[in-house]
Amino acid sequence: DTAVSQTPKYLVTQMGNDKSIKCEQNLGHDTMYWYKQDSKKFLKIMFSYNNKELIINETVPNRFSPKSPDKAHLNLHINSLELGDSAVYFCASSQIETAEAFFGQGTRLTVV
Amino acid sequence: QQQVKQSPQSLIVQKGGISIINCAYENTAFDYFPWYQQFPGKGPALLIAIRPDVSEKKEGRFTISFNKSAKQFSLHIMDSQPGDSATYFCAASKAGTALIFGKGTTLSVSS
Repeated sequence: DTAVSQTPKYLVTQMGNDKSIKCEQNLGHDTMYWYKQDSKKFLKIMFSYNNKELIINETVPNRFSPKSPDKAHLNLHINSLELGDSAVYFCASSQIETAEAFFGQGTRLTVV
Repeated sequence: QQQVKQSPQSLIVQKGGISIINCAYENTAFDYFPWYQQFPGKGPALLIAIRPDVSEKKEGRFTISFNKSAKQFSLHIMDSQPGDSATYFCAASKAGTALIFGKGTTLSVSS
């Protein structure tokens, strides 16, 4: 039973399109995250969200927006996709007290 | 400004040898220091973690050594095996915030 699951695993799309990546966690955690892993494997936080607060990394373009329908889900919407958005996007979750973060399998986004 | 610096970028170790990866941090407010292991096509998986009130933590063949005064911590993999070949990331966070990752170390264990 997967703890943090993302869909789709692969996403190929054209420049200018709008796309979404879904994430669900069944760990009962109170905080969820989106990370971006670039071609050099560097992992960078994009957003962290719990039921009280959304924290946005200031370097993330406003074309990216997280949406949380409930505590177990945090989806990532991306508008007007650009070539530079090509990367692997990871969803993660944790319980704020323990800080142990569990990651999904990733979504490889390719913009052509 | 890179808050967590990791070295080396890549490491080749013979089977049975010791793999050592080092990290240094700048923010003294960090209070949680995990190591993650990532295989190709997979998400990072939590390997072992330490908090600054202890100087060492061991789990099986994996040991974290922590030096609070030097703001450094390291991962030691004893008796390295080919199955340990992966990318390793150190990270740090302070209470209620997201993990800040090092740039990763690609470990290759040769048989």
